[in-house]
Amino acid sequence: GAVVSQHPSWVICKSGTSVKIECRSLDFQATTMFWYRQFPKQSLMLMATSNEGSKATYEQGVEKDKFLINHASLTLSTLTVTSAHPEDSSFYICSATRETGVRNSPLHFGNGTRLTVT
Amino acid sequence: EDQVTQSPEALRLQEGESSSLNCSYTVSGLRGLFWYRQDPGKGPEFLFTLYSAGEEKEKERLKATLTKKESFLHITAPKPEDSATYLCAVTGANSKLTFGKGITLSVRP
Repeated sequence: GAVVSQHPSWVICKSGTSVKIECRSLDFQATTMFWYRQFPKQSLMLMATSNEGSKATYEQGVEKDKFLINHASLTLSTLTVTSAHPEDSSFYICSATRETGVRNSPLHFGNGTRLTVT
Repeated sequence: EDQVTQSPEALRLQEGESSSLNCSYTVSGLRGLFWYRQDPGKGPEFLFTLYSAGEEKEKERLKATLTKKESFLHITAPKPEDSATYLCAVTGANSKLTFGKGITLSVRP
């Protein structure tokens, strides 16, 4: 099956520093990847849609200058949390769909990154 | 705005005790309803996609069904390894995936 790899699985950083999270599709090319954020016992909230070769599309309320997304190739998207603050501590999950042009094929998710900002 | 409500919030079952998890939804132009399993500290794992009312999908002890307003995930004779959070999500006309908060299932041996 489709595999999405996310790295690192957890990271602790100091307030004010930046953290980069990588998301790779291992056995398929993904023109579109998605970044989600999940708080304990809450829904996954879509942050942004990452498009290969173009700018990401951010959801309302998500600061694009704080959460930088780069999708430089068909298998890699990165999320950089800039000038992190404790309130940015959360579980970040990326996802991708294997098929394009097919009616709403399912998203496959990475294993998430637990970010803790001290 | 698309909405997904899952109930109950948590469910505790004895091993072998069958039950059902509910997902109620409102969506403009349903394009797909998805069930995922999520283990603690992990990303969601895809289980099923349902596209139209009346459709059913099965995998091992799990069976997903769909009506125009809700979906059920039936668990037959669950085992402790079925313990996880089960997420329901829908995609509507806006092509965005909207998740429910999930149902945390605990199966006691």
